Amino acid sequence: ELKVEQNPLFLSMQEGKNYTIYCNYSTTSDRLYWYRQDPGKSLESLFVLLSNGAVKQEGRLMASLDTKARLSTLHITAAVHDLSATYFCAVVGGSNYKLTFGKGTLLTVNP
Amino acid sequence: DAGVIQSPRHEVTEMGQEVTLRCKPISGHNSLFWYRQTMMRGLELLIYFNNNVPIDDSGMPEDRFSAKMPNASFSTLKIQPSEPRDSAVYFCASTPGAGASGANVLTFGAGSRLTVL
Repeated sequence: ELKVEQNPLFLSMQEGKNYTIYCNYSTTSDRLYWYRQDPGKSLESLFVLLSNGAVKQEGRLMASLDTKARLSTLHITAAVHDLSATYFCAVVGGSNYKLTFGKGTLLTVNP
Repeated sequence: DAGVIQSPRHEVTEMGQEVTLRCKPISGHNSLFWYRQTMMRGLELLIYFNNNVPIDDSGMPEDRFSAKMPNASFSTLKIQPSEPRDSAVYFCASTPGAGASGANVLTFGAGSRLTVL
């Protein structure tokens, strides 16, 4: 059974600081997704990483994928309050439809 | 495009009552998913449809839960009878093509927040 672990689960940051969220998964996969969820809202797709070494950047967020290490990172640069949300990674397992989500990382950016 | 549309947004009901949640996927999307989100268990896949056919319902908790997709533009998730432990946010999501294959991204609806008293 595919397991997806994120850490940290809770992250409190100051504005302007950098930090990284980690996503480890237990079985081979070459597709990983990052989603953002604001409180009481739906999940919004941020990145799709489709191959080993893939790197995607949007604004202050950069995601990367190392399929050999079964690890993805979401790096936050110079955080701002608007980035406060819960971030989920999700991995496609053996079946191409089954997206298994991590528990999420609740990010709070403080002024 | 209006995105994935779910109704109701909020439902409060009493234990034992029947609950029906509805979903309209994005037009042209062939795959539809129902997920449940709780604090304790996170996001869990309940059932996956492809071309209106249920492909995997192994995540449906028990016989009290059922899901249908009578056509490409409508799906329902029914709980009968409902119990307090069913309280959760239920999300519907859709993708073009087959599941999460290739670069398909699941687009989620706004969710239905269910409270069973």
